[in-house]
Amino acid sequence: GAGVSQSPSNKVTEKGKDVELRCDPISGHTALYWYRQSLGQGLEFLIYFQGNSAPDKSGLPSDRFSAERTGGSVSTLTIQRTQQEDSAVYLCASSSSRRGGDYGYTFGSGTRLTVV
Amino acid sequence: AQKITQTQPGMFVQEKEAVTLDCTYDTSDPSYGLFWYKQPSSGEMIFLIYQGSYDQQNATEGRYSLNFQKARKSANLVISASQLGDSAMYFCAMREVSGGSYIPTFGRGTSLIVHP
Repeated sequence: GAGVSQSPSNKVTEKGKDVELRCDPISGHTALYWYRQSLGQGLEFLIYFQGNSAPDKSGLPSDRFSAERTGGSVSTLTIQRTQQEDSAVYLCASSSSRRGGDYGYTFGSGTRLTVV
Repeated sequence: AQKITQTQPGMFVQEKEAVTLDCTYDTSDPSYGLFWYKQPSSGEMIFLIYQGSYDQQNATEGRYSLNFQKARKSANLVISASQLGDSAMYFCAMREVSGGSYIPTFGRGTSLIVHP
């Protein structure tokens, strides 16, 4: 597609339920990132995929969080047993090169997750 | 220690005037990249400008320029001739290599309000 697509745009879930957030990067972009942005805060790195390499999971806050990237394209971020502190906007970004470069990183519109 | 520091939580500027948003960074990677993003109230992250650590000249992109002072580890964003539509959050980010991964780290952001 022309841009990074994320779905759903909004998700309200009950505490303790599992949720899946989807990111469809720009075609051909090898690097894919997930970030979390809490209200009024900066971006917190979660996980990074580069091509077929093993992902960098160093930012995942707990073992309730996991992500996969199938076929080097679409990525799914899964949060198990959601907690209220998981409420945030989850942003996905992709890049044609791992270094970002002159064109930076292209972000999706995000998924706003609310845990009630 | 924070890798990216934005010391101005909020800034105000009169329409048509220039404004400088501060950003300092900390890295031991000699080959790093610096980015600025704009986040309007709609939530999308818009890439503005990029500066590579080896670039000899300051980056410019339309009304945006990056005042890059390498020795001081400073990468301030200058917006000339401010417009009402420039009102938004602005994030400085740095891409460095860490454990083989190239992960952009974002500052906490500066809220810019442009007054008519």
